[in-house]
Amino acid sequence: EPEVTQTPSHQVTQMGQEVILRCVPISNHLYFYWYRQILGQKVEFLVSFYNNEISEKSEIFDDQFSVERPDGSNFTLKIRSTKLEDSAMYFCASTPGLASYEQYFGPGTRLTVT
Amino acid sequence: AQSVTQLGSHVSVSEGALVLLRCNYSSSVPPYLFWYVQYPNQGLQLLLKYTSAATLVKGINGFEAEFKKSETSFHLTKPSAHMSDAAEYFCAVSNSGGSNYKLTFGKGTLLTVNP
Repeated sequence: EPEVTQTPSHQVTQMGQEVILRCVPISNHLYFYWYRQILGQKVEFLVSFYNNEISEKSEIFDDQFSVERPDGSNFTLKIRSTKLEDSAMYFCASTPGLASYEQYFGPGTRLTVT
Repeated sequence: AQSVTQLGSHVSVSEGALVLLRCNYSSSVPPYLFWYVQYPNQGLQLLLKYTSAATLVKGINGFEAEFKKSETSFHLTKPSAHMSDAAEYFCAVSNSGGSNYKLTFGKGTLLTVNP
């Protein structure tokens, strides 16, 4: 069964460093999402992406964040200058189209900023 | 704006007992509702979804949920708990009138199953 994959599974970085989190959505999906879950808190929406552009972003998704679909398969989340409070689990999700409603989630990348 | 409230951050049941996880939502338009399960160190897996068809929705692993508009609820139930059901459960709402169907999650309920 097709699945969303994410790499790395765990990333440790120092404050102020840039990180790129990578996702490979399911191949025929058109809509892509990033969510994050700070330890002990709920899963929060960061950004949605369709047709090579951001369709919606939350207030968490400030100028330090960017997303890109550099080729036909990868979907990346970049944090330019990481802060301690960026430490969280980051989930990528995709869906074939709006009519299917269900989002398929990857296993997540745990980002630890020291 | 949409929101989800999950009553009870931790629910503990005995194996074979009824599982009831509560979810109430707030949405200005007809919602789409979902329950996801997260096993330790894994991603989110869809259990079931409500998208304006039948109000009683059956999902995987014997779980079901009933959409009650008058109560703005979408509680998750399973008649008989199994040890393998121990996990964290998230209720989520999506705006049917929106343009990208982003999910808004509740804080989650950790289910413990005792032998």
